[in-house]
Formats: sequence, C-alpha cells, structure tokens
Amino acid sequence: DVKVTQSSRYLVKRTGEKVFLECVQDMDHENMFWYRQDPGLGLRLIYFSYDVKMKEKGDIPEGYSVSREKKERFSLILESASTNQTSMYLCASRPGTGVYNEQFFGPGTRLTVL
Amino acid sequence: GQNIDQPTEMTATEGAIVQINCTYQTSGFNGLFWYQQHAGEAPTFLSYNVLDGLEEKGRFSSFLSRSKGYSYLLLKELQMKDSASYLCAVIDSNYQLIWGAGTKLIIKP
Repeated sequence: DVKVTQSSRYLVKRTGEKVFLECVQDMDHENMFWYRQDPGLGLRLIYFSYDVKMKEKGDIPEGYSVSREKKERFSLILESASTNQTSMYLCASRPGTGVYNEQFFGPGTRLTVL
Repeated sequence: GQNIDQPTEMTATEGAIVQINCTYQTSGFNGLFWYQQHAGEAPTFLSYNVLDGLEEKGRFSSFLSRSKGYSYLLLKELQMKDSASYLCAVIDSNYQLIWGAGTKLIIKP
C-alpha cells in the first residue's frame, strides 16, 4: 500500500518562528511537491523537486524554502512564520515517468501561526 | 490568466445521480484529473482524461470536451460516503498542474 506521511497533523507556532514540515514517501518516487490549501482557493504549488538535491519554485515560493537530501524525504521550511502562512499544507509524490501519472498525497498538516 | 471553475457546493440525495462540472481556460491542455478529498484527509485520485469522451469506472464517470474546455464528474447511486470535496485539475502546456478550488458535495438521506 503506497504511503505518503507528514510529520504532524496539527501544528501551532508563533510569528517569527522557524517551522519545519517533513514529508516522507515509501514509493521510490522521483517527484515530490508541497502545496498549501486554503478555503475557496485551489491547491497552490509552493515548491517541487524532481530528484535528490533538486528543487524548483512553484507559484508561491515566497517565505518558504525546501530541502531534499534523500529521495524519500522532502522538507518544507518556513524561515520566519507569519500569520498569513496559516494554512493546510499538503505534500505529494509522483513517479518520474510522466506528468500524466497521479499524485499521491499525504494527510496534510494544519498549521496555525499566532 | 489560467482559470478553473467549479461550483463551490452541491447537495444531492442518497441513491440519486449528481454531475459536477468543471470548466477551464488554460494555456494549453495535456490532460485533466479528478480527485476526491474527504474532510481532513488527503486528496485521492479518481480519474484522468486526455481524449474527448466518457470514461466509466464503476459508479463514477468522467467526461471531457477539449473544444469546450469542459469536463464533468458523474456520480451514480450516491452513498453517504460520497460526501466529500471533488477537485478538478488541468495539466497546461508547461506540464504544470492547475487546480480548481473544489466542489463540496453534501449527500442527504
């Protein structure tokens, strides 16, 4: 059974804190993605990675960075959390054979920044 | 700009049929996905269409018309467990995935 796991389901942080969100997949997928999901908006891509140590900016990378040191793990970092980063964060992975393949999502991390 | 439109919310009755529409204006088209997302859970894949026509998978079917920039997801014999959000997503000419905001489907007994 394929699986994408995220380190926390719920997280509460204070403004200015550095926040780490971890994502691990066990499917040996090349591609990994970080999205945020807000009410009334579609999933918005923050960053993605198509290989170890490779990263590409998505649509809304400002205020975020990522790390992919191992194939199975993709971390999202909020350098200095702000209240407008309160959101649901979803990690996904996809095999590298084609963009037409489905993405597999983790359960999400609901982050609240106070 | 790129845009995907879906109704925000729909209500249907258990046992009935419901059609969820998705219209898109994107720079190019390389396929369309439908995902299901139960509240508080991860989205899960339902279907992928790249050619015009209807794809049937059990109680769920997905239709695509590329000339009209239009797709729909048809759910038959609705069950209470079908209460969820349904997300439409299009692959554009740059092979990026553009997501709609999703349609929340409420099933009533």
